Amino acid sequence: GQNIDQPTEMTATEGAIVQINCTYQTSGFNGLFWYQQHAGEAPTFLSYNVLDGLEEKGRFSSFLSRSKGYSYLLLKELQMKDSASYLCVPFRRNAGNMLTFGGGTRLMVKP
Amino acid sequence: EPEVTQTPSHQVTQMGQEVILRCVPISNHLYFYWYRQILGQKVEFLVSFYNNEISEKSEIFDDQFSVERPDGSNFTLKIRSTKLEDSAMYFCASSIPTGLSNYGYTFGSGTRLTVV
Repeated sequence: GQNIDQPTEMTATEGAIVQINCTYQTSGFNGLFWYQQHAGEAPTFLSYNVLDGLEEKGRFSSFLSRSKGYSYLLLKELQMKDSASYLCVPFRRNAGNMLTFGGGTRLMVKP
Repeated sequence: EPEVTQTPSHQVTQMGQEVILRCVPISNHLYFYWYRQILGQKVEFLVSFYNNEISEKSEIFDDQFSVERPDGSNFTLKIRSTKLEDSAMYFCASSIPTGLSNYGYTFGSGTRLTVV
């Protein structure tokens, strides 16, 4: 089974930093994806963390603690175009290699 | 950057009709998937396909649905006897083999299916 917990909505100001937290419970955990999804569009791959620690990729960073079942996505220098849903997707090894999505966090960036 | 391509971007069909949604996965990927997203809801897994056969399917993927890889590049989803509740965005995705990495798990831009 799988359980994902992340805030439903967040609001932040342009230029600021925002951290989106995610806690999860997943049997057979292998790694954790973060995807960005703008309304009406496809999920876009942001990161995949397998090992504990912080991975930085431009304005976005993702952190994973396997022992705590915890991850966060850090967005720096927020831009209006960062307004989107952010999907925390724990991946567990399965025959079909499928992803199981939750509802995600809808981030609104205000001027 | 390699892309997953889906056609058409929009499809309107009458209830009871059959539709075929088409996808061209990234060329060196070996896993192919269909997901759907009903308006305002989360992305839901339908089916995964590997080595020319279905490797996993959800309870949504019943006899109304089928997938095919008719040639070396295309991957299709057929929906028979469409119902109003089949109206959704359908996403194709592909990925490299699981191995030690899941980098490159990429989604296409989707087909918006409207059943009237």
